[in-house]
Amino acid sequence: QVQLVESGGGVVQPGRSLRLSCAASGFTFSTSAIHWVRQAPGKGPEWVAVISYDGNNRYYAGSVQGRFTISRDNSKNTLYLQMDSLRAEDTAVYYCAAPMGGNYFGPFYIWGQGTMVTVSS
Amino acid sequence: DIQMTQSPSTLSASVGDRVTITCRASQSITNWLAWYQQKPGKAPKLLIYKASSLESGVPSRFSGSGSGTEFTLTISSLQPDDFATYYCQHYNTYWTFGQGTKVEIK
Repeated sequence: QVQLVESGGGVVQPGRSLRLSCAASGFTFSTSAIHWVRQAPGKGPEWVAVISYDGNNRYYAGSVQGRFTISRDNSKNTLYLQMDSLRAEDTAVYYCAAPMGGNYFGPFYIWGQGTMVTVSS
Repeated sequence: DIQMTQSPSTLSASVGDRVTITCRASQSITNWLAWYQQKPGKAPKLLIYKASSLESGVPSRFSGSGSGTEFTLTISSLQPDDFATYYCQHYNTYWTFGQGTKVEIK
């Protein structure tokens, strides 16, 4: 069935790094843009980053620009988020999400289950 | 950046009630608006896109309307499974969510 499964979350100290993965199945991953969205405890979702279907174009929220890097490996149907220089305010559940139609600007119709990232000393 | 503002933040209602949630954009977004339902510990679930189009598999008691800067999500007859938090989202030129409306049992 159509599925996104995130992994790689955990507890990390401020200033350290973490890499998240998102494995896709049940749809044509290689023709779809994919987003990362995060949700801090008790807050609404916040868009983080998006990557084009071929990996050639990437866009970031201002809050993570220069610290996070989105990438993908279409041969493995997997999306990544490299998170460097982590801060306490990056603590959140991180979701990957696929847009309807595969274009950047579509509603998010496939979501993963999320992976929790806690930044704390 | 376009800001999305939902009201109310919390709504108390009973099974069978008609429920309306409002979402306002800080500038016109035409009809590039989606509504999501989220239950505790789960990912958001798409209900409505393009302001009024019902996602496949979503019950017909959910409907969306509006254009420009003001939008509404209506649940025609609230069911036990509908107690959740609802978010609007603008998804053209950028991706911005509202702060959420929690629908709780009265």
